[in-house]
Amino acid sequence: GAVVSQHPSWVICKSGTSVKIECRSLDFQATTMFWYRQFPKQSLMLMATSNEGSKATYEQGVEKDKFLINHASLTLSTLTVTSAHPEDSSFYICSAANAGTPEETQYFGPGTRLLVL
Amino acid sequence: SQQGEEDPQALSIQEGENATMNCSYKTSINNLQWYRQNSGRGLVHLILIRSNEREKHSGRLRVTLDTSKKSSSLLITASRAADTASYFCATDAKTGGFKTIFGAGTRLFVKA
Repeated sequence: GAVVSQHPSWVICKSGTSVKIECRSLDFQATTMFWYRQFPKQSLMLMATSNEGSKATYEQGVEKDKFLINHASLTLSTLTVTSAHPEDSSFYICSAANAGTPEETQYFGPGTRLLVL
Repeated sequence: SQQGEEDPQALSIQEGENATMNCSYKTSINNLQWYRQNSGRGLVHLILIRSNEREKHSGRLRVTLDTSKKSSSLLITASRAADTASYFCATDAKTGGFKTIFGAGTRLFVKA
């Protein structure tokens, strides 16, 4: 099946630094990628929808200047958490929609755990 | 904002028993999907049911969809300890383009 990878799988950083998370579709082209955030024992909250070659669409309440999303190619989207603070500590999960399949199935990455000290 | 709500929030059963989880949603949908997540891990897609389908099976999984009540259920038969995980329903809202909204999830614990 389709594989989506994320890098890094976990990161610890100091407050005020920026962190970049990569999401790659390894064996298919993803015209659309999604970024989710999940706090402990909670569900996934959609942060933004990323379309290749265009600006990301952010969900209400998500600061686009804080969570920078770039989708420069059909296989790579990046999420940069700028000036990270402890409250940004969370599990970040990306997913990619395979434009070549008839069903609207998203393939999820394994997630990136961010801890901001 | 999240669209789906699930109940129960947590479920503890003995191995061999059946587990039923329910999901309700608010807006019209194209399809509904169920996912599984082991603690601290990524999501595993279990099953997709379209809005014009009422029931679907996959191995020990049975999913129903009632669009008139805007609800779905996931039944896991003959549960195993390895089924211990969180289960989420997710819907693609017909409004706002193609995006998937997740329910709150049910944490299932199967005791050996």
